[in-house]
Amino acid sequence: GAGVSQSPRYKVAKRGQDVALRCDPISGHVSLFWYQQALGQGPEFLTYFQNEAQLDKSGLPSDRFFAERPEGSVSTLKIQRTQQEDSAVYLCASSLARVFTYEQYFGPGTRLTVT
Amino acid sequence: DAKTTQPNSMESNEEEPVHLPCNHSTISGTDYIHWYRQLPSQGPEYVIHGLTSNVNNRMASLAIAEDRKSSTLILHRATLRDAAVYYCILRNQFYFGTGTSLTVIP
Repeated sequence: GAGVSQSPRYKVAKRGQDVALRCDPISGHVSLFWYQQALGQGPEFLTYFQNEAQLDKSGLPSDRFFAERPEGSVSTLKIQRTQQEDSAVYLCASSLARVFTYEQYFGPGTRLTVT
Repeated sequence: DAKTTQPNSMESNEEEPVHLPCNHSTISGTDYIHWYRQLPSQGPEYVIHGLTSNVNNRMASLAIAEDRKSSTLILHRATLRDAAVYYCILRNQFYFGTGTSLTVIP
């Protein structure tokens, strides 16, 4: 079946622009995660949804970052007034059910470059 | 928060076993140990997970210390396609760290 898909795969934004990154999880997956991965680093947790509820947003680096999953399926990560330090790969992952036991399936990521 | 520590890099010869260690000395009783790997320009891929007992699947084996303060991912016969960054994470902590970069030598 189809895996996690993300769009766009690449995004170039000028500093100060707003961007929206989309994640389509695996159908039926309850949990959805966003991560930020800087070059040469491991993924860093941003936020987590269970269905449409955002249960943990402790990793969002500033109030310029906003995520939503209004119908419990597709999710959008929005970054307002982008800065150069926002340049990274943004990974989305989904998981079948409870956080602790089921594995996460990752999408290919969106590479954001802020110029 | 419980975190994991792994060596930055390891090398293995092709077709030899590889043992990738992970320390998680502050693990709690409900933390599952998950391993993922990430090939260049791809998202991480699930490898294996466990709680207390050793686990085997088609990709690898996971050996968990009796006190659960460490674990080892075992690739029984490394292939060139196993060259990747391997991450050991505690499932409810979302902390990946920098992982171990595995180089497989032909």
